[in-house]
Amino acid sequence: EPEVTQTPSHQVTQMGQEVILRCVPISNHLYFYWYRQILGQKVEFLVSFYNNEISEKSEIFDDQFSVERPDGSNFTLKIRSTKLEDSAMYFCASMGDKARDGYTFGSGTRLTVV
Amino acid sequence: GQNIDQPTEMTATEGAIVQINCTYQTSGFNGLFWYQQHAGEAPTFLSYNVLDGLEEKGRFSSFLSRSKGYSYLLLKELQMKDSASYLCAAYTNAGKSTFGDGTTLTVKP
Repeated sequence: EPEVTQTPSHQVTQMGQEVILRCVPISNHLYFYWYRQILGQKVEFLVSFYNNEISEKSEIFDDQFSVERPDGSNFTLKIRSTKLEDSAMYFCASMGDKARDGYTFGSGTRLTVV
Repeated sequence: GQNIDQPTEMTATEGAIVQINCTYQTSGFNGLFWYQQHAGEAPTFLSYNVLDGLEEKGRFSSFLSRSKGYSYLLLKELQMKDSASYLCAAYTNAGKSTFGDGTTLTVKP
């Protein structure tokens, strides 16, 4: 079964540092997403990406955040100048051309900002 | 605005049937997802309803009423492994999903 792969699985960083979270979506999927889940809270939408550009972003996704699809396979989330409240599980997800098949989520990156 | 409501917790007995309800108020509503999330893991896709009515998939069924802003997930023949959080999410025309807080289901022997 095709998978979405995320690296690293855990990342500890100091406040103010930059982090890059990496994802390899399913190869024939068209839509790519970043969601996050603060421990014990709901899954929150950050950004969607289609046809090499951002299609939608949430209020959370401010200038501190950016996404890139530098080649045909990788999809990255960069967080500049991390804050304590950025500590969360970050999930990458991809979807094919039919919403009825749902998102396939990666296993997540646990980001801890200290 | 976006608002998704579902019960926080439910408990059921192995072999029984349980129904998890979800109400939503979402602009640009396209369809309704249900996901299962075990503790410490990523959500996994269960179902997507775009039309009114019931869709059955093995032991799991999902229902949608667009006019009422209401959905439910029905789990039959409960197994211990069904103990998990069940997430209702409204998918919008903009291509994003708003998730509810999740319903933690505990299945007891």
